[in-house]
Amino acid sequence: GENVEQHPSTLSVQEGDSAVIKCTYSDSASNYFPWYKQELGKGPQLIIDIRSNVGEKKDQRIAVTLNKTAKHFSLHITETQPEDSAVYFCAASRTYNNAGNMLTFGGGTRLMVKP
Amino acid sequence: DAGVIQSPRHEVTEMGQEVTLRCKPISGHNSLFWYRQTMMRGLELLIYFNNNVPIDDSGMPEDRFSAKMPNASFSTLKIQPSEPRDSAVYFCASSLQGYGYTFGSGTRLTVV
Repeated sequence: GENVEQHPSTLSVQEGDSAVIKCTYSDSASNYFPWYKQELGKGPQLIIDIRSNVGEKKDQRIAVTLNKTAKHFSLHITETQPEDSAVYFCAASRTYNNAGNMLTFGGGTRLMVKP
Repeated sequence: DAGVIQSPRHEVTEMGQEVTLRCKPISGHNSLFWYRQTMMRGLELLIYFNNNVPIDDSGMPEDRFSAKMPNASFSTLKIQPSEPRDSAVYFCASSLQGYGYTFGSGTRLTVV
């Protein structure tokens, strides 16, 4: 099955700096890569996703890059703000027997943005 | 849309008791997932339904765990008998064809 590794497990940055979280996956058939943000006491929330036919996607201060050859993808947050502090999860999935996709999550990164 | 609705938000029970967690997915979504989250093991997929049919239950820890989806708008996860090591936050998520999962707020289960 799929295995997703995520690094670093914790990341502390100064407000205004950039943050980068990296993930690798094992299944070359994976074709969908979402990122989730989880705030304390809440469920994970989708913030951005990318499909395997695209190398990069941006949404305001958030961007995701995908390198299919190397089987890794990254989340980039620019101009970080204290409200970006949360746990971030990457995930990977593939079409599962024509029955939709099933995500495998990375271990999570706790991002702390210091004012 | 109210999103994915889980109940109860918190559950405290004694070891050996039966626990039932409930989930109402987003209307129109055809995939439903149950996850368990702990500090040690992160987010673990327990079971996945597509069009109300269980597709993959390989993540269910043991026979004490069972899940049902009798219709498109309701699913349950049952633990019988419960054990202290089952203490965790249980999330339900739904999606359309597996893209863009929407998670519920979770049920924090404590087994004493």
